[in-house]
Amino acid sequence: GAGVSQSPSNKVTEKGKDVELRCDPISGHTALYWYRQRLGQGLEFLIYFQGNSAPDKSGLPSDRFSAERTGESVSTLTIQRTQQEDSAVYLCASRGALEQYFGPGTRLTVT
Amino acid sequence: DQQVKQNSPSLSVQEGRISILNCDYTNSMFDYFLWYKKYPAEGPTFLISISSIKDKNEDGRFTVFLNKSAKHLSLHIVPSQPGDSAVYFCAASANSGGSNYKLTFGKGTLLTVNP
Repeated sequence: GAGVSQSPSNKVTEKGKDVELRCDPISGHTALYWYRQRLGQGLEFLIYFQGNSAPDKSGLPSDRFSAERTGESVSTLTIQRTQQEDSAVYLCASRGALEQYFGPGTRLTVT
Repeated sequence: DQQVKQNSPSLSVQEGRISILNCDYTNSMFDYFLWYKKYPAEGPTFLISISSIKDKNEDGRFTVFLNKSAKHLSLHIVPSQPGDSAVYFCAASANSGGSNYKLTFGKGTLLTVNP
């Protein structure tokens, strides 16, 4: 079956521009997570969606970051007024039972 | 403050030998632990997990050991194969009490298995 997919795979943007990253979770997975991995670091939790419950936004690093999810399907992560420190791989994961399954990530480079 | 620590950034072993990857945690609320494997330009792939009610879980060549009193877990790969060469991440979550199962990751250990 299809896994988690993300687009674009790579994004280069100029400082100050807005970017939108997309995640398609595994069909039937109600829980969806966004993480990011900066160079040499582990994955950092950003935001969590579960069904129609209010999302857990506790990991978002600033108010320039926001995310939406339509029902139990696609999610988009938006970064406004990008900064160089936003450069990272942004990973989406969906969860069935206990384990989270990750997409390939979007590598964001802010120049 | 790192709650999940992988103190060895890299490990090199010979094909056929045992690989042992270590992980320490500080948060006593963690009750579920996972290992993920990551190849370059790919997302992490779930490998094996263990609940805090167990001290060992085995799946083929992979075994995870948990020592709750020491807040330490390890992943054993036996026998190691060149295809096992990847970055291995240890992750933990606090799942009891209606948690959102969010994962806290270590920084990873790069395993190289030499033919």
